[in-house]
Amino acid sequence: ETGVTQTPRHLVMGMTNKKSLKCEQHLGHNAMYWYKQSAKKPLELMFVYSLEERVENNSVPSRFSPECPNSSHLFLHLHTLQPEDSTLYLCASSQDSRDLNTEAFFGQGTRLTVV
Amino acid sequence: GQNIDQPTEMTATEGAIVQINCTYQTSGFNGLFWYQQHAGEAPTFLSYNVLDGLEEKGRFSSFLSRSKGYSYLLLKELQMKDSASYLCAVRDTDKLIFGTGTRLQVFP
Repeated sequence: ETGVTQTPRHLVMGMTNKKSLKCEQHLGHNAMYWYKQSAKKPLELMFVYSLEERVENNSVPSRFSPECPNSSHLFLHLHTLQPEDSTLYLCASSQDSRDLNTEAFFGQGTRLTVV
Repeated sequence: GQNIDQPTEMTATEGAIVQINCTYQTSGFNGLFWYQQHAGEAPTFLSYNVLDGLEEKGRFSSFLSRSKGYSYLLLKELQMKDSASYLCAVRDTDKLIFGTGTRLQVFP
């Protein structure tokens, strides 16, 4: 238990579906992140939220839409995905995105399969 | 550009010592992290270096040379449970940039 919980753990969706990934942190952190982790590739940062404000968007396609309603919750809304989007999506949180020496705590990820 | 390199795979024997290297080239540098990730689980924090030198934490130590853009993670008295991926990550302002990870297999 890392204090960061992601649901669902596994998701299968069709290319025309709309689904959402959820992340919740119980650590009192102010920054939350979405990463994707593909086989044999580095963890890739997608979005950064600090105090519920998006501070980073790494040229992610618009079919991925993040939402941060409060500092404890982060969503990733998915719409008209492609099969190549099938991978592991990881959520993380840290005390503050600008507090440079604090580590990020990761959730266990959602394994997404687009069919 | 941003580039972090680490070996893809390593093997070692239970009880031995293994060193996992990481070299980096990033536009900014505000510290280097090592994470451990077991298959199907979340990455978990192991160590943080921001100044040159060695940081020791039990069986694990991490070294940093900023002038060389180089770090290593040293694992002593290896145990079977140390079989995992080890991720090197550099903080560049408010972003963590990861390497591909090194998959370590420990054999009896």
